[in-house]
Amino acid sequence: RKEVEQDPGPFNVPEGATVAFNCTYSNSASQSFFWYRQDCRKEPKLLMSVYSSGNEDGRFTAQLNRASQYISLLIRDSKLSDSATYLCVAMRAGGSQGNLIFGKGTKLSVKP
Amino acid sequence: EPEVTQTPSHQVTQMGQEVILRCVPISNHLYFYWYRQILGQKVEFLVSFYNNEISEKSEIFDDQFSVERPDGSNFTLKIRSTKLEDSAMYFCASSEAGGTFHEQFFGPGTRLTVL
Repeated sequence: RKEVEQDPGPFNVPEGATVAFNCTYSNSASQSFFWYRQDCRKEPKLLMSVYSSGNEDGRFTAQLNRASQYISLLIRDSKLSDSATYLCVAMRAGGSQGNLIFGKGTKLSVKP
Repeated sequence: EPEVTQTPSHQVTQMGQEVILRCVPISNHLYFYWYRQILGQKVEFLVSFYNNEISEKSEIFDDQFSVERPDGSNFTLKIRSTKLEDSAMYFCASSEAGGTFHEQFFGPGTRLTVL
């Protein structure tokens, strides 16, 4: 079983739509979770960390459910500039250096 | 804003040749990482480095790979004898500290093509 699994996508949505990304992780000892964004042929960039209490940053909301080992990202009022691949990332449990385990990503295309 | 830089942006090499990929981490960062991403695949951890030694490495990071911090600014990844399957984007990353809440900043990557 893959350590981090995501919806394969792609998601094609109109501007202004609300989009939800889902992710599950297999290692219950994983400690920290993140959403990264990756534009085509570019490096991953941190979008937000994910906390059990849930966290919001403008149009973006992330949630973590440790019991179900499930992570989500909600984008409200999507913009053309949100088009990218969204990567669900877990930090390896027990690793002292914080090595990241990436999901394969879900591609989002926001159309005018 | 400080950033991680990598050179070259694209490297083409023949199978069996040695390549060195170079990275300049953010200056006050202490933890350094290499990741790779084969085209169409997920980003995969290779190795982490702290205090001039390898902290952790993945199964991918076999004897063909080595890392070095030759001076106070550069961090390099060497592949001794490249194989076709080494073709990928290689990302360097750095963080201020290790562990949970320290963001890893990624460089723009080096695209390695092995012919």
